[in-house]
Parts: sequence; C-alpha cells; structure tokens
Amino acid sequence: KNQVEQSPQSLIILEGKNCTLQCNYTVSPFSNLRWYKQDTGRGPVSLTIMTFSENTKSNGRYTATLDADTKQSSLHITASQLSDSASYICVVSARSNYQLIWGAGTKLIIKP
Amino acid sequence: GAGVSQSPRYKVTKRGQDVALRCDPISGHVSLYWYRQALGQGPEFLTYFNYEAQQDKSGLPNDRFSAERPEGSISTLTIQRTEQRDSAMYRCASSLAPSGSGEQYFGPGTRLTVT
Repeated sequence: KNQVEQSPQSLIILEGKNCTLQCNYTVSPFSNLRWYKQDTGRGPVSLTIMTFSENTKSNGRYTATLDADTKQSSLHITASQLSDSASYICVVSARSNYQLIWGAGTKLIIKP
Repeated sequence: GAGVSQSPRYKVTKRGQDVALRCDPISGHVSLYWYRQALGQGPEFLTYFNYEAQQDKSGLPNDRFSAERPEGSISTLTIQRTEQRDSAMYRCASSLAPSGSGEQYFGPGTRLTVT
C-alpha cells in the first residue's frame, strides 16, 4: 500500500535554531516528492518538488533532501523564524497515476 | 492573476441535504484536484480532472460524492444526502501541467459542517 509517514508528529524549537523533519515513503513507482508548508487555516503552499534524479533542493532557508534508494526525504530549516510555525507536509506522487499521497504532516512551533 | 477560488467559504447544512461546492481554478490550468482535509491531518485525495475529463475518482468515499468540470474550467463537488461524517475542509487545487506532474496551487477551502 502506498504510504507516506512523517516524523516527528510535532516539534517545538527556539527562534534561530535549525531543525530537520523526516519523511519515509513506500510509494511505487515513484514520480516525485514535494514538501508543502501549511499555515493554520490556510491552503498548503509548495516549498520544493524533487524528482528521482535530484537528491537535494533548496528554497531560501529550506533545504530538502531525497534518497530514492532508502525512500527517505528530509526538510531542513535553517535559522528558524517565528513565521516558520506551520505544518510541513511531505507528499509523494506515484508515476502510475500521478496521485499525490499525503503525509499527516509535522506541526512545527517556533518559540521566541 | 487571481489564484484558485472556492465558494462558499463556509457551509452549514442539515443532515440529509445536498450541497454543491464550487472551485474556480487559475485561468489556463489544465488539472483540477479535489481534496478533503480533517483537522490536524494532511489533505486526502478525492478526485482530479485533466481539462473536462475526470481522470481518477478513486478517492471519493462513496457514491454520494460526485464531481464535474463540464467545460474544463470551473468544477463542482456535490455531496448528496450529507452525513455528519462529511464535515471537513474541502480543498481544491489546480495545476498548469496535466496529471499531477506539476506544481499545485490550492484554494482557501470550503469548511463544511453537517449538523
């Protein structure tokens, strides 16, 4: 069964610190992996999209990595800011039908 | 240009009533997706369209749910004989590229409450 699992479920860090969020997936055949940021009450906003051949991609202070062999991805946030408080959702697309399989997300809280 | 819009933003209905949720995608976007999102969870795929053709409806929970996109632009998700378990945020997204290969842009959602 195609699944996406994320850890931790929630995370609290102090402003200015770095953090890393994890995503493991069992989607096959793999097409691409995305990280979304979702602020409370808002729709998800895309941070990165990575295909099979890409193993790292950055978007400002966000850096995503992908290991297609172990089917793992991480999202690293550098020098966190209060505005980074949100849910971060890992989404994997299956090449067979391009359906997006969504993880449950990691709720990140940045404290001053 | 304008982003994805959805209407109504909030809908309260009584159990047993039918509801129609509307999604207006970004102009020119080929694909349109419907998701349902429970509080504290990631979006759950319902169905998607390329142009006017419904490509995948495997995520629709049962036959009370249906969707259409007759002219390849605006889409309507209809829930018949609503039940309390249908209460959720319903989100629509559109993509310039077909079949889920491109960036998806999400609308603000419709919060459905069935009493």
